[in-house]
Amino acid sequence: QKEVEQDPGPLSVPEGAIVSLNCTYSNSAFQYFMWYRQYSRKGPELLMYTYSSGNKEDGRFTAQVDKSSKYISLFIRDSQPSDSATYLCAPSGGYQKVTFGTGTKLQVIP
Amino acid sequence: NAGVTQTPKFQVLKTGQSMTLQCAQDMNHNSMYWYRQDPGMGLRLIYYSASEGTTDKGEVPNGYNVSRLNKREFSLRLESAAPSQTSVYFCASRADSGSSYEQYFGPGTRLTVT
Repeated sequence: QKEVEQDPGPLSVPEGAIVSLNCTYSNSAFQYFMWYRQYSRKGPELLMYTYSSGNKEDGRFTAQVDKSSKYISLFIRDSQPSDSATYLCAPSGGYQKVTFGTGTKLQVIP
Repeated sequence: NAGVTQTPKFQVLKTGQSMTLQCAQDMNHNSMYWYRQDPGMGLRLIYYSASEGTTDKGEVPNGYNVSRLNKREFSLRLESAAPSQTSVYFCASRADSGSSYEQYFGPGTRLTVT
């Protein structure tokens, strides 16, 4: 069993839709939870970062962590074609190592 | 600032050939990483370096060697390339201040081994 499971998609939504991206994880030691966005043929870039359980909002993006169920979510409101990318969840329990999910490919149709 | 740079961008090797992937960062970060990204497998850590002069194995180190040449540069060497090493390779760096775990990634090197 992988430490982090993420549906690869692709997920196709119309512009303006609310998008929900999810990951599950198995390692109880994970305390830091990140979401990276990766455009085609580019390196990943950090989108959101949260510590422990709870919600964090940044503009149209909301990251949610439920440590009791080991479930991580990223919500995108009013999705735009520029949001079309692959989204990687990335929990970490320690100083150096981050475990990346396989990524969910999102396409927002104008 | 250029951030994290990688060379080359593309490379084709024959089985058994060797090559070195170069990575440099200009953000004065202590930690640097090498990942490979394969379809359905996500990003997997090959090696990392917490500081100049130290390196540690990640999840998939076999077939690779690394050198932390100085604080800026971290190279990845394939001594005898195999088709299984066909992948996209990313270098990343991270600041060690505060509680941020953000890693900054380079643009990647697309390697094909035939």
